[in-house]
Amino acid sequence: GEDVEQSLFLSVREGDSSVINCTYTDSSSTYLYWYKQEPGAGLQLLTYIFSNMDMKQDQRLTVLLNKKDKHLSLRIADTQTGDSAIYFCAESITAAGNKLTFGGGTRVLVKP
Amino acid sequence: GAVVSQHPSWVICKSGTSVKIECRSLDFQATTMFWYRQFPKQSLMLMATSNEGSKATYEQGVEKDKFLINHASLTLSTLTVTSAHPEDSSFYICAGTLQETQYFGPGTRLLVL
Repeated sequence: GEDVEQSLFLSVREGDSSVINCTYTDSSSTYLYWYKQEPGAGLQLLTYIFSNMDMKQDQRLTVLLNKKDKHLSLRIADTQTGDSAIYFCAESITAAGNKLTFGGGTRVLVKP
Repeated sequence: GAVVSQHPSWVICKSGTSVKIECRSLDFQATTMFWYRQFPKQSLMLMATSNEGSKATYEQGVEKDKFLINHASLTLSTLTVTSAHPEDSSFYICAGTLQETQYFGPGTRLLVL
């Protein structure tokens, strides 16, 4: 079965790095995504990683994938107050019509 | 690129009425669109998968006669909440698929009185 889990809350000081963790259970995942949701808004795609990759870096964002442990992380360098939001990880399986299975979301609070 | 819009952004209606929500892919063609609902402080729950020109596929527990989905073109899908009740109040979000990645609309907040 599919199950994606995240920690509920992360508090970080402005300028520090944030690391948001996610675990999943389905080993046939094709892509793994990180989305950001600000209050009252839809989901903004931040980045994604193909399942045969270990790492992907995009400006302040670094995604690490440990396929053996089914662990995904998102590191945000030099965290800013505008990074305060809920972050969702999600997995998709091409063979399942690219349906996304979401984690519960991690609320990140950046303190000045 | 890959912008999805929704209309309306929020709607208040009386119990028993029907509400239509539009989802448009503005700069790409989405052969597949997804409809989600999200309750406060919760994750997204997939309601249905909509493919252009065919009937939507509903997730288990989602009433297809209550949540009517039409995907008439490659850039437009609509969700109609029929005979709305207060428990249908929620945040409804659609997503269009481009190259296997889902791009989300800004959401529609529905309040049924």
